[in-house]
Amino acid sequence: KAGVTQTPRYLIKTRGQQVTLSCSPISGHRSVSWYQQTPGQGLQFLFEYFSETQRNKGNFPGRFSGRQFSNSRSEMNVSTLELGDSALYLCASSSRDRGKVNTEAFFGQGTRLTVV
Amino acid sequence: AQSVTQLGSHVSVSEGALVLLRCNYSSSVPPYLFWYVQYPNQGLQLLLKYTSAATLVKGINGFEAEFKKSETSFHLTKPSAHMSDAAEYFCAVSVGSTNAGKSTFGDGTTLTVKP
Repeated sequence: KAGVTQTPRYLIKTRGQQVTLSCSPISGHRSVSWYQQTPGQGLQFLFEYFSETQRNKGNFPGRFSGRQFSNSRSEMNVSTLELGDSALYLCASSSRDRGKVNTEAFFGQGTRLTVV
Repeated sequence: AQSVTQLGSHVSVSEGALVLLRCNYSSSVPPYLFWYVQYPNQGLQLLLKYTSAATLVKGINGFEAEFKKSETSFHLTKPSAHMSDAAEYFCAVSVGSTNAGKSTFGDGTTLTVKP
């Protein structure tokens, strides 16, 4: 079974630009979550999508948005990039089945975004 | 709301020595607890998880963790460290069977293994 795939792996953008990151979950997983990892703030939850709907949201400004497609692939968009948005963005997929024991999240390798 | 505290941002052990990484959690409801490992420029890999079954949980690579409700702890241990264990370790908590996708992570502990 293929793992979680994130593209691209590395990205350099200029302040003020926008960026779109992509995540393909494990086949059969319908939940996709996004996290931002920085040395100063650690791992912070951005949002979770399930069945094309945002189910949970972290404390990030509206510049951070996402969506999920019918095939469960997800994209994350950051508009008007700031220097502080430089981070490793991690995507995780899980099966999220109601009534079952909580399942773990499987992480992709991340997209390293550098804003200059 | 749930939270996780990892005691010690850096832990250094000698090869062959006991590894102990500490994690304390706070949760208003019974939690699900996880330990992940992260190697440089990689994603997170699950080591083990606690889901209210056995309190002593065995994971991959010889790691195990014990859930102690009275101490609100979920410390990670390994009897004998190997050089390949050098990495960053994260403890995480989530609540509710439908919240696998939203976990709260600790700040991480960097494990160094000396030859």
